[in-house]
Amino acid sequence: DAKTTQPTSMDCAEGRAANLPCNHSTISGNEYVYWYRQIHSQGPQYIIHGLKNNETNEMASLIITEDRKSSTLILPHATLRDTAVYYCIVTGGGTSYGKLTFGQGTILTVHP
Amino acid sequence: DAGITQSPRHKVTETGTPVTLRCHQTENHRYMYWYRQDPGHGLRLIHYSYGVKDTDKGEVSDGYSVSRSKTEDFLLTLESATSSQTSVYFCAITPGPGTGGGGYGYTFGSGTRLTVV
Repeated sequence: DAKTTQPTSMDCAEGRAANLPCNHSTISGNEYVYWYRQIHSQGPQYIIHGLKNNETNEMASLIITEDRKSSTLILPHATLRDTAVYYCIVTGGGTSYGKLTFGQGTILTVHP
Repeated sequence: DAGITQSPRHKVTETGTPVTLRCHQTENHRYMYWYRQDPGHGLRLIHYSYGVKDTDKGEVSDGYSVSRSKTEDFLLTLESATSSQTSVYFCAITPGPGTGGGGYGYTFGSGTRLTVV
């Protein structure tokens, strides 16, 4: 699976959009970009995933660049409850299906 | 999370004793996984299962074994617990690859905090 690079930490004001970047320059054609978050000591929570088109769900939007070498997770109106570690993961199908490799992620702190 | 339960939630055990952690799901998902999480290492895959009686090793499988005799249960066993296995253990489930191959997100359990003394 391709390696990802994320900033160690980011801050965001409550009510503002939080934009979390992720670099995955070695991504291959059949690999998807997944985002998870982990709040305190809870189990990670799935947020969104995509291949090459931008995706949106009730939690967030995922913007993937045309060359697929980077992506941005957008939380449109961050709340204090969005404070968490956010993981960007690239993984494909076949024999590597579902075997997620978690890096250190980005610690997002939402301030009042 | 709804549909996946880990037990026990907390356990303290002595070095050298066997320990079994249980992951139970009600979603009828094909794939199940065991991860451990330690400070400085993030989450690491221990073992996974892609069907009843079908299991394989992950990144850090030494000292662990698993069994899956029915769809809903995935057991992780530490045959002889060591202090290095003190960790938080997470189980995860997912249905499998979607028609486009991208699959679905995992659902993680709440974790089991294991302390080996």
